[in-house]
Amino acid sequence: AQSVAQPEDQVNVAEGNPLTVKCTYSVSGNPYLFWYVQYPNRGLQFLLKYITGDNLVKGSYGFEAEFNKSQTSFHLKKPSALVSDSALYFCAVRDIIESGKLIFGQGTTLQVKP
Amino acid sequence: DAGVIQSPRHEVTEMGQEVTLRCKPISGHNSLFWYRQTMMRGLELLIYFNNNVPIDDSGMPEDRFSAKMPNASFSTLKIQPSEPRDSAVYFCASSLDGGWNTEAFFGQGTRLTVV
Repeated sequence: AQSVAQPEDQVNVAEGNPLTVKCTYSVSGNPYLFWYVQYPNRGLQFLLKYITGDNLVKGSYGFEAEFNKSQTSFHLKKPSALVSDSALYFCAVRDIIESGKLIFGQGTTLQVKP
Repeated sequence: DAGVIQSPRHEVTEMGQEVTLRCKPISGHNSLFWYRQTMMRGLELLIYFNNNVPIDDSGMPEDRFSAKMPNASFSTLKIQPSEPRDSAVYFCASSLDGGWNTEAFFGQGTRLTVV
């Protein structure tokens, strides 16, 4: 079965420093991978996706993610964190083998301190 | 487009009562997802529709839960009878799927409290 894992429940970083939120995947075939962000009391917002092509994907709000096939990873990154980036981040994979359903990881809370 | 619209935003009900959550997907989208979010279990997929047909309902907890999509612009998730452990935030999401490489757009969610 297709799945994603986010090994960190929480990531803490100082404002202005680079941030990384980790995600690893387990899929059969080519992975369709996504990152979403959730602010308090809101729905999930799409940040970026990897389908094919360049391993470095750029998305909204200055975020980017690096697809690494050998390490089966799709880490979310940002060169300089903002306090307003503090939120809950989800990695997701599309199950293209069985049903097409969208499967989410358990989420990582990002805390950016001034 | 107004995005995915869910109603109500908040629902408080007594145990044993029937609860119906509603979702209007983005116009033109042909896939619809219902998710449940809790602190303990995170974000769980309950059911996935494609072209109004349920494709995967393996996440529906039990027979008390049912979902319908009578047309492309409306879906409901019903819980009958409701129990306190059903308390959660329920999200609806939709996407335009030609080959599963498109992102899903989420509604604001319905916060359900069963007392």
